[in-house]
Amino acid sequence: EADIYQTPRYLVIGTGKKITLECSQTMGHDKMYWYQQDPGMELHLIHYSYGVNSTEKGDLSSESTVSRIRTEHFPLTLESARPSHTSQYLCASSESPIKGAGELFFGEGSRLTVL
Amino acid sequence: GIQVEQSPPDLILQEGANSTLRCNFSDSVNNLQWFHQNPWGQLINLFYIPSGTKQNGRLSATTVATERYSLLYISSSQTTDSGVYFCAVEDYGNNRLAFGKGNQVVVIP
Repeated sequence: EADIYQTPRYLVIGTGKKITLECSQTMGHDKMYWYQQDPGMELHLIHYSYGVNSTEKGDLSSESTVSRIRTEHFPLTLESARPSHTSQYLCASSESPIKGAGELFFGEGSRLTVL
Repeated sequence: GIQVEQSPPDLILQEGANSTLRCNFSDSVNNLQWFHQNPWGQLINLFYIPSGTKQNGRLSATTVATERYSLLYISSSQTTDSGVYFCAVEDYGNNRLAFGKGNQVVVIP
């Protein structure tokens, strides 16, 4: 059973606001990921990290940024939210096998609505 | 990058029926997972199955890596099985998963 937590679960904000979506895991996993998912659609990777001080952009271009100062924490920040950022954001983590992504475990997701 | 195709895209089942969901992928993989996304949006791990067969209760999965496909079997379906089933794969040398578009399953009582 994986323990990975996201806050807030739901957020409605106005255009131009700065927001941070929090993601924490208690399994000591090295690898963490952020996926973006529009309703009824597939998941797209926007950021990932292999460990502390490691961050990479994913396959889908995103105006968000991430940081990895502690192993257990991988926050995602939008400096100036726009309606086009309305989506669900899913955080995941995995153990770090010698090769590959490993088995991913997801948090409950953060649903963002920008008015 | 690797392509992932899931079929059928939509499926309506009578409670108690069995079904098979399919995931085809375009290249060799070293990681394949099946997830169930519940109506609240959370993704639940079902199987980590880069090859072979696994069973968990009424669900089972088989991956034939040499033929580039995986199957998810749901037996004696229940209304709680409703949701979207995602297949995700990772190709060799690429340390992240690519997701298919999902199988939307509705189980009616």
